Amino acid sequence: AQSVTQPDIHITVSEGASLELRCNYSYGATPYLFWYVQSPGQGLQLLLKYFSGDTLVQGIKGFEAEFKRSQSSFNLRKPSVHWSDAAEYFCAVGARKNTNAGKSTFGDGTTLTVKP
Amino acid sequence: DVKVTQSSRYLVKRTGEKVFLECVQDMDHENMFWYRQDPGLGLRLIYFSYDVKMKEKGDIPEGYSVSREKKERFSLILESASTNQTSMYLCASSGRGSGETQYFGPGTRLLVL
Repeated sequence: AQSVTQPDIHITVSEGASLELRCNYSYGATPYLFWYVQSPGQGLQLLLKYFSGDTLVQGIKGFEAEFKRSQSSFNLRKPSVHWSDAAEYFCAVGARKNTNAGKSTFGDGTTLTVKP
Repeated sequence: DVKVTQSSRYLVKRTGEKVFLECVQDMDHENMFWYRQDPGLGLRLIYFSYDVKMKEKGDIPEGYSVSREKKERFSLILESASTNQTSMYLCASSGRGSGETQYFGPGTRLLVL
Protein backbone atom coordinates (compact mmCIF):
# COMPACT_ATOMS: atom_id res chain seq x y z
CA ALA A 1 0.00 0.00 0.00
CA GLN A 2 1.20 3.51 -0.72
CA SER A 3 1.83 6.03 2.03
CA VAL A 4 3.14 9.56 2.47
CA THR A 5 5.01 11.12 5.39
CA GLN A 6 5.42 14.82 5.93
CA PRO A 7 7.85 14.99 8.86
CA ASP A 8 7.26 18.66 9.69
CA ILE A 9 3.89 19.54 11.17
CA HIS A 10 4.62 23.25 11.35
CA ILE A 11 7.34 25.43 9.80
CA THR A 12 7.95 29.13 10.33
CA VAL A 13 10.09 31.17 7.94
CA SER A 14 10.75 34.86 7.50
CA GLU A 15 9.41 36.63 4.45
CA GLY A 16 12.06 36.56 1.73
CA ALA A 17 13.78 33.48 3.13
CA SER A 18 14.00 30.20 1.27
CA LEU A 19 11.66 27.33 2.00
CA GLU A 20 11.88 23.56 1.82
CA LEU A 21 9.00 21.28 2.83
CA ARG A 22 9.80 17.61 3.14
CA CYS A 23 7.84 14.69 1.77
CA ASN A 24 8.72 10.99 1.84
CA TYR A 25 6.63 8.34 0.15
CA SER A 26 6.34 4.60 0.17
CA TYR A 27 5.36 2.86 -3.04
CA GLY A 28 6.54 -0.24 -4.87
CA ALA A 29 7.30 1.48 -8.15
CA THR A 30 7.69 5.00 -9.48
CA PRO A 31 4.63 6.85 -8.27
CA TYR A 32 2.78 9.91 -9.36
CA LEU A 33 3.57 12.66 -6.86
CA PHE A 34 1.69 15.85 -6.10
CA TRP A 35 1.91 18.93 -3.95
CA TYR A 36 -1.29 20.74 -3.06
CA VAL A 37 -1.78 23.98 -1.12
CA GLN A 38 -4.74 24.90 1.06
CA SER A 39 -5.23 28.54 1.99
CA PRO A 40 -7.26 29.25 5.14
CA GLY A 41 -10.91 28.39 4.68
CA GLN A 42 -10.40 27.02 1.18
CA GLY A 43 -10.16 23.71 -0.61
CA LEU A 44 -6.90 22.31 -1.94
CA GLN A 45 -5.25 23.56 -5.11
CA LEU A 46 -2.58 21.76 -7.13
CA LEU A 47 0.88 23.36 -7.00
CA LEU A 48 2.74 20.83 -9.14
CA LYS A 49 2.97 17.17 -9.99
CA TYR A 50 5.55 14.63 -11.12
CA PHE A 51 4.78 11.95 -13.69
CA SER A 52 8.08 10.99 -15.30
CA GLY A 53 11.12 12.45 -17.00
CA ASP A 54 12.84 15.49 -15.54
CA THR A 55 13.05 15.02 -11.79
CA LEU A 56 12.86 18.76 -11.12
CA VAL A 57 9.29 19.93 -11.54
CA GLN A 58 8.19 23.54 -11.79
CA GLY A 59 4.83 24.61 -10.44
CA ILE A 60 2.70 27.65 -9.91
CA LYS A 61 3.52 30.57 -7.61
CA GLY A 62 7.27 30.04 -8.01
CA PHE A 63 7.36 26.60 -6.35
CA GLU A 64 9.43 23.66 -7.50
CA ALA A 65 9.92 20.10 -6.28
CA GLU A 66 12.57 17.48 -6.88
CA PHE A 67 11.88 13.76 -7.13
CA LYS A 68 14.70 11.69 -5.63
CA ARG A 69 14.09 8.00 -6.15
CA SER A 70 17.03 6.92 -4.00
CA GLN A 71 15.63 8.82 -1.02
CA SER A 72 11.92 8.21 -1.78
CA SER A 73 11.46 11.94 -1.44
CA PHE A 74 9.65 14.74 -3.23
CA ASN A 75 10.56 17.93 -1.37
CA LEU A 76 8.93 21.24 -2.19
CA ARG A 77 11.08 24.37 -2.46
CA LYS A 78 10.73 28.08 -3.00
CA PRO A 79 13.71 30.45 -3.12
CA SER A 80 11.95 33.46 -1.56
CA VAL A 81 8.76 33.14 0.48
CA HIS A 82 6.01 35.75 0.34
CA TRP A 83 3.53 36.46 3.14
CA SER A 84 0.76 35.11 0.89
CA ASP A 85 2.42 31.67 0.92
CA ALA A 86 1.21 31.10 4.49
CA ALA A 87 -1.02 28.05 4.13
CA GLU A 88 -1.14 24.31 4.67
CA TYR A 89 0.74 22.14 2.20
CA PHE A 90 -0.08 18.55 1.36
CA CYS A 91 2.04 16.00 -0.43
CA ALA A 92 0.20 13.16 -2.15
CA VAL A 93 1.08 9.96 -3.98
CA GLY A 94 -1.00 8.32 -6.69
CA ALA A 95 -0.68 4.77 -7.95
CA ARG A 96 0.35 4.14 -11.53
CA LYS A 97 -1.65 0.96 -11.83
CA ASN A 98 -4.69 0.70 -9.74
CA THR A 99 -8.12 -0.72 -10.31
CA ASN A 100 -9.33 2.53 -8.87
CA ALA A 101 -7.17 4.85 -10.91
CA GLY A 102 -7.35 8.43 -9.80
CA LYS A 103 -7.11 7.84 -6.06
CA SER A 104 -4.33 9.50 -4.15
CA THR A 105 -3.00 9.10 -0.63
CA PHE A 106 -2.32 12.37 1.19
CA GLY A 107 0.18 13.22 3.88
CA ASP A 108 -0.92 14.87 7.11
CA GLY A 109 0.12 18.30 5.89
CA THR A 110 2.64 20.96 6.88
CA THR A 111 1.44 24.34 8.10
CA LEU A 112 3.61 27.22 6.92
CA THR A 113 3.75 30.45 8.90
CA VAL A 114 5.50 33.45 7.36
CA LYS A 115 7.02 36.05 9.68
CA PRO A 116 7.17 39.66 8.48
CA ASP B 1 -12.44 27.49 -15.31
CA VAL B 2 -12.95 24.22 -13.45
CA LYS B 3 -15.38 24.24 -10.62
CA VAL B 4 -16.37 22.00 -7.73
CA THR B 5 -19.10 23.42 -5.55
CA GLN B 6 -20.39 22.24 -2.20
CA SER B 7 -23.91 23.04 -1.07
CA SER B 8 -22.98 24.65 2.24
CA ARG B 9 -19.87 26.27 3.71
CA TYR B 10 -21.11 25.88 7.28
CA LEU B 11 -23.68 23.57 8.83
CA VAL B 12 -24.90 23.09 12.38
CA LYS B 13 -26.89 19.93 13.11
CA ARG B 14 -28.18 18.06 16.12
CA THR B 15 -27.07 14.60 17.22
CA GLY B 16 -29.19 11.95 15.52
CA GLU B 17 -30.19 14.12 12.54
CA LYS B 18 -29.77 12.84 9.00
CA VAL B 19 -27.38 15.15 7.17
CA PHE B 20 -26.88 15.56 3.43
CA LEU B 21 -23.77 17.17 1.95
CA GLU B 22 -23.96 17.86 -1.76
CA CYS B 23 -21.13 18.26 -4.24
CA VAL B 24 -21.38 19.24 -7.90
CA GLN B 25 -18.61 19.35 -10.51
CA ASP B 26 -18.78 20.85 -13.98
CA MET B 27 -15.78 19.11 -15.56
CA ASP B 28 -17.45 15.87 -16.70
CA HIS B 29 -15.11 13.96 -14.37
CA GLU B 30 -15.62 10.26 -13.81
CA ASN B 31 -14.13 10.18 -10.30
CA MET B 32 -15.51 11.94 -7.27
CA PHE B 33 -14.31 11.79 -3.68
CA TRP B 34 -15.41 12.71 -0.18
CA TYR B 35 -12.71 13.43 2.39
CA ARG B 36 -12.78 14.38 5.99
CA GLN B 37 -10.12 16.80 7.27
CA ASP B 38 -9.23 17.04 10.96
CA PRO B 39 -6.27 18.85 12.56
CA GLY B 40 -3.18 16.68 12.61
CA LEU B 41 -4.86 13.88 10.66
CA GLY B 42 -4.63 15.27 7.13
CA LEU B 43 -7.21 14.18 4.57
CA ARG B 44 -8.90 10.86 5.10
CA LEU B 45 -10.92 9.31 2.30
CA ILE B 46 -14.50 8.47 3.26
CA TYR B 47 -15.90 7.27 -0.07
CA PHE B 48 -14.89 7.25 -3.70
CA SER B 49 -17.07 6.99 -6.81
CA TYR B 50 -15.61 6.06 -10.20
CA ASP B 51 -18.85 6.21 -12.18
CA VAL B 52 -22.55 6.87 -11.82
CA LYS B 53 -24.04 4.55 -9.20
CA MET B 54 -20.58 3.07 -8.52
CA LYS B 55 -18.90 3.61 -5.17
CA GLU B 56 -16.12 2.23 -3.08
CA LYS B 57 -15.40 2.58 0.61
CA GLY B 58 -12.42 4.63 1.59
CA ASP B 59 -10.47 4.53 4.83
CA ILE B 60 -13.21 5.72 7.21
CA PRO B 61 -16.67 4.87 5.80
CA GLU B 62 -18.35 4.00 9.10
CA GLY B 63 -21.34 6.21 9.81
CA TYR B 64 -21.47 7.52 6.24
CA SER B 65 -23.11 6.59 2.97
CA VAL B 66 -23.00 8.15 -0.49
CA SER B 67 -25.15 8.54 -3.55
CA ARG B 68 -24.23 9.24 -7.15
CA GLU B 69 -27.26 9.25 -9.40
CA LYS B 70 -25.82 11.72 -11.91
CA LYS B 71 -22.27 12.08 -13.12
CA GLU B 72 -21.87 15.64 -11.89
CA ARG B 73 -23.31 15.15 -8.40
CA PHE B 74 -21.97 13.19 -5.42
CA SER B 75 -23.76 13.29 -2.09
CA LEU B 76 -22.44 12.34 1.33
CA ILE B 77 -25.02 11.23 3.87
CA LEU B 78 -24.62 11.05 7.60
CA GLU B 79 -27.39 8.63 8.55
CA SER B 80 -27.47 9.67 12.21
CA ALA B 81 -25.08 12.48 12.97
CA SER B 82 -22.86 12.17 16.01
CA THR B 83 -20.60 14.69 17.72
CA ASN B 84 -17.49 12.84 16.53
CA GLN B 85 -18.52 13.67 12.96
CA THR B 86 -17.90 17.35 13.61
CA SER B 87 -15.27 18.12 10.99
CA MET B 88 -14.39 19.77 7.68
CA TYR B 89 -15.67 17.81 4.69
CA LEU B 90 -13.98 18.21 1.32
CA CYS B 91 -15.30 17.02 -2.01
CA ALA B 92 -13.04 16.49 -5.02
CA SER B 93 -13.26 15.25 -8.58
CA SER B 94 -10.78 13.97 -11.14
CA GLY B 95 -10.53 12.28 -14.50
CA ARG B 96 -10.40 8.51 -14.65
CA GLY B 97 -6.73 7.98 -15.50
CA SER B 98 -3.89 7.28 -13.11
CA GLY B 99 -2.18 10.38 -11.87
CA GLU B 100 -5.06 12.72 -12.57
CA THR B 101 -5.17 15.97 -10.62
CA GLN B 102 -7.94 16.20 -8.06
CA TYR B 103 -9.97 19.39 -8.01
CA PHE B 104 -11.39 20.35 -4.66
CA GLY B 105 -14.42 22.23 -3.50
CA PRO B 106 -14.15 24.89 -0.76
CA GLY B 107 -15.27 22.50 1.97
CA THR B 108 -18.19 22.25 4.37
CA ARG B 109 -17.50 22.81 8.04
CA LEU B 110 -20.00 20.69 9.96
CA LEU B 111 -20.72 21.12 13.65
CA VAL B 112 -22.81 18.42 15.33
CA LEU B 113 -24.22 19.46 18.70
